[in-house]
Amino acid sequence: SQQGEEDPQALSIQEGENATMNCSYKTSINNLQWYRQNSGRGLVHLILIRSNEREKHSGRLRVTLDTSKKSSSLLITASRAADTASYFCATGRFGNEKLTFGTGTRLTIIP
Amino acid sequence: DTEVTQTPKHLVMGMTNKKSLKCEQHMGHRAMYWYKQKAKKPPELMFVYSYEKLSINESVPSRFSPECPNSSLLNLHLHALQPEDSALYLCASSLAGTSYEQYFGPGTRLTVT
Repeated sequence: SQQGEEDPQALSIQEGENATMNCSYKTSINNLQWYRQNSGRGLVHLILIRSNEREKHSGRLRVTLDTSKKSSSLLITASRAADTASYFCATGRFGNEKLTFGTGTRLTIIP
Repeated sequence: DTEVTQTPKHLVMGMTNKKSLKCEQHMGHRAMYWYKQKAKKPPELMFVYSYEKLSINESVPSRFSPECPNSSLLNLHLHALQPEDSALYLCASSLAGTSYEQYFGPGTRLTVT
């Protein structure tokens, strides 16, 4: 399988703390994306980082990409109860629309 | 309008039934996708349509039959499903040509009895 791996599988933190989740992948990529999924619902796109970028910010989100290690991390700062969700990384390759999703991290924010 | 709609929200069907899932978007996207997702697992790609043509079929059993009648609509026809096909079926859309960000619908929760 070409599926990426995420760690940790599950993470529980106190509200206000920072949450970091990691993604590793296996093939060369065009971009790497992060999505959030609230329980049993559709996925929401959070951020996209291209293969020639090393870091990207969006609000409380910070994403890094290390193509030499085939890995990425997502940092959520000052977490809120509403951040409780599953987070998936997804890699895209050149030339077609297919995304390959990682195994996901279940994040729980404790109020 | 950045919404992808899916109907129905829930569907219960017997193994001999024929049913269809529907998906619609009005963002002008020319790529549309069907995914299957089991509980606590990532979405698994089933089909991709690009410019209304089937461009990717991830070796999906023939009891699932996709259809893209026009650039805004995507259907998934279901026939003779098995209980293990019970899952959340997600539709998504994006710009076509490469791996752009995808917009997902809320999904159809399918139960096969």
